[in-house]
Amino acid sequence: GAVVSQHPSWVICKSGTSVKIECRSLDFQATTMFWYRQFPKQSLMLMATSNEGSKATYEQGVEKDKFLINHASLTLSTLTVTSAHPEDSSFYICSAPTDPAGTEAFFGQGTRLTVV
Amino acid sequence: QKEVEQDPGPLSVPEGAIVSLNCTYSNSAFQYFMWYRQYSRKGPELLMYTYSSGNKEDGRFTAQVDKSSKYISLFIRDSQPSDSATYLCAMRRNTNAGKSTFGDGTTLTVKP
Repeated sequence: GAVVSQHPSWVICKSGTSVKIECRSLDFQATTMFWYRQFPKQSLMLMATSNEGSKATYEQGVEKDKFLINHASLTLSTLTVTSAHPEDSSFYICSAPTDPAGTEAFFGQGTRLTVV
Repeated sequence: QKEVEQDPGPLSVPEGAIVSLNCTYSNSAFQYFMWYRQYSRKGPELLMYTYSSGNKEDGRFTAQVDKSSKYISLFIRDSQPSDSATYLCAMRRNTNAGKSTFGDGTTLTVKP
């Protein structure tokens, strides 16, 4: 099946620093990728849609200057959490559709971010 | 009120039991219904994908959708300890996979 790889699996950073998370589609091309955030015992919340070669589309309430998304190739999207604060600590997950219609998407393994 | 409601559990059953997981929703425009399994500290894994009402079976898993009642279910037969995970329901209006609305998940433990 389709594989989406996310790196790193976990990261600890200091307040005020930036952290980059990578999402790669290993065996298919993805013109679109999705970034989610998940708090403990809560559902996945879509943060933004990453579009290859163009600007990301952010959901309402998500700060685009804080969560920078770059989709530079058909297999790689990155999410950079800038000037991280402890409240940014969360589980970040990406997904990528496996077909042009975007019918279904496979998820990466997630990144646990802890800001101290 | 959330668009998708899911009992968080936790749910604990003995090995071999039949498990029933459920979600209710309020948006009648939802047409695509999914169930995901999520192990601790991992990304969700798609288990079942259903369009509109009806039943779908895949091995030990059966998904049911009742759009008239706005109610979906996932049944797991002959449950195994390896089924212990959090199960998320998700649904959306159209084919855009990124626009799914997720339930909060039900935590299931299958005891040997």
